[in-house]
Amino acid sequence: DTAVSQTPKYLVTQMGNDKSIKCEQNLGHDTMYWYKQDSKKFLKIMFSYNNKELIINETVPNRFSPKSPDKAHLNLHINSLELGDSAVYFCASRPGTSENYEQYFGPGTRLTVT
Amino acid sequence: AQKVTQAQTEISVVEKEDVTLDCVYETRDTTYYLFWYKQPPSGELVFLIRRNSFDEQNEISGRYSWNFQKSTSSFNFTITASQVVDSAVYFCALSEAWGGATNKLIFGTGTLLAVQP
Repeated sequence: DTAVSQTPKYLVTQMGNDKSIKCEQNLGHDTMYWYKQDSKKFLKIMFSYNNKELIINETVPNRFSPKSPDKAHLNLHINSLELGDSAVYFCASRPGTSENYEQYFGPGTRLTVT
Repeated sequence: AQKVTQAQTEISVVEKEDVTLDCVYETRDTTYYLFWYKQPPSGELVFLIRRNSFDEQNEISGRYSWNFQKSTSSFNFTITASQVVDSAVYFCALSEAWGGATNKLIFGTGTLLAVQP
């Protein structure tokens, strides 16, 4: 019954490791996003996908690679994790490409890099 | 460039008080959308309202009301008779009206509202 889900909810890992966060939405939406919320609660767009196609790449380091196997899923893979990558990562989705819709957010994944 | 400013970092009120959260935005677009989201201590982001720049009517939903004033580029949010459950971080956000899938949310820095019993 969950609309936008993310796994895992918490992720603790060491510097230099590679990790993935998964996102799934069962709303039938075409557009999906990744946002990053830093320790000061500031929320910033990272990527967006529409029907599996990358649309927005907001000057995010190459270590971050989103992948959308189908329009219901948008995963985020992070290579060579750094301390500064510690944050909460939110997935979101929105129907179609019309701006006249709000984005629905997942519960967030709290990533801690030690 | 688009920008959203929430000057109030933290607000503390006692239950049953009314409280207004301020939001000021900047955009060169003539058509745009404004949003409010709530982030309770549990961490999820909950959508509260979307407002089209063409529609300057104020909106009321239960104890919540929103005042959109294009002349001052403000979209303020008032909670009447606040309750402890209203304690959360509230984000104002802006998005352009064109661009299709390139559309993104520009968030303000959030206002932490603490409602004391």
